[in-house]
Amino acid sequence: TQLLEQSPQFLSIQEGENLTVYCNSSSVFSSLQWYRQEPGEGPVLLVTVVTGGEVKKLKRLTFQFGDARKDSSLHITAAQPGDTGLYLCAGSSWTNAGKSTFGDGTTLTVKP
Amino acid sequence: EAEVAQSPRYKITEKSQAVAFWCDPISGHATLYWYRQILGQGPELLVQFQDESVVDDSQLPKDRFSAERLKGVDSTLKIQPAELGDSAMYLCASSQTPGGYEQYFGPGTRLTVT
Repeated sequence: TQLLEQSPQFLSIQEGENLTVYCNSSSVFSSLQWYRQEPGEGPVLLVTVVTGGEVKKLKRLTFQFGDARKDSSLHITAAQPGDTGLYLCAGSSWTNAGKSTFGDGTTLTVKP
Repeated sequence: EAEVAQSPRYKITEKSQAVAFWCDPISGHATLYWYRQILGQGPELLVQFQDESVVDDSQLPKDRFSAERLKGVDSTLKIQPAELGDSAMYLCASSQTPGGYEQYFGPGTRLTVT
């Protein structure tokens, strides 16, 4: 069974601060996705990373895939209240018939 | 922008009753997923369809849950009878290619069993 551990579980910061959340596994993934979910809504896809060491930027969000494709991080610069939400990572692997495994997420609260 | 549609958004039912959820994926997406998400946890895959065929239903409690996608387009997930522990968010997602790479989720159905 492929497991994804996300840390921290909860994070509360002030507007303007920087933060990093992590997604770790002992398994190798062929790709990894990051989603943001707001209360009462479905997850929204933010990015997909597929190459070890890959870095992708989406405005103030920077995503990195580990060299060994077992872990990933999400860094937010100058957080805003609109960044508040549950950040989920999901990994999929050809060895698991492409089935996606989700972590339990990091709940981020950005206070104005 | 194309979206995944789900209905109802909210459902309250008494235990032992039957309940059904509907999902219409993004047009052209052959792969459809049903997930269950308990508060404070990530989504857990219940069933995956490729067109009208079930690809993975290993985590679907088949004694009470059933899912179908008869024409390979929209899908229905049914629970009968509902139990208190079934209270959760039920999410539908679709993807253009099989393998779960980029999935697009609907708004979900929040089920409360009393």
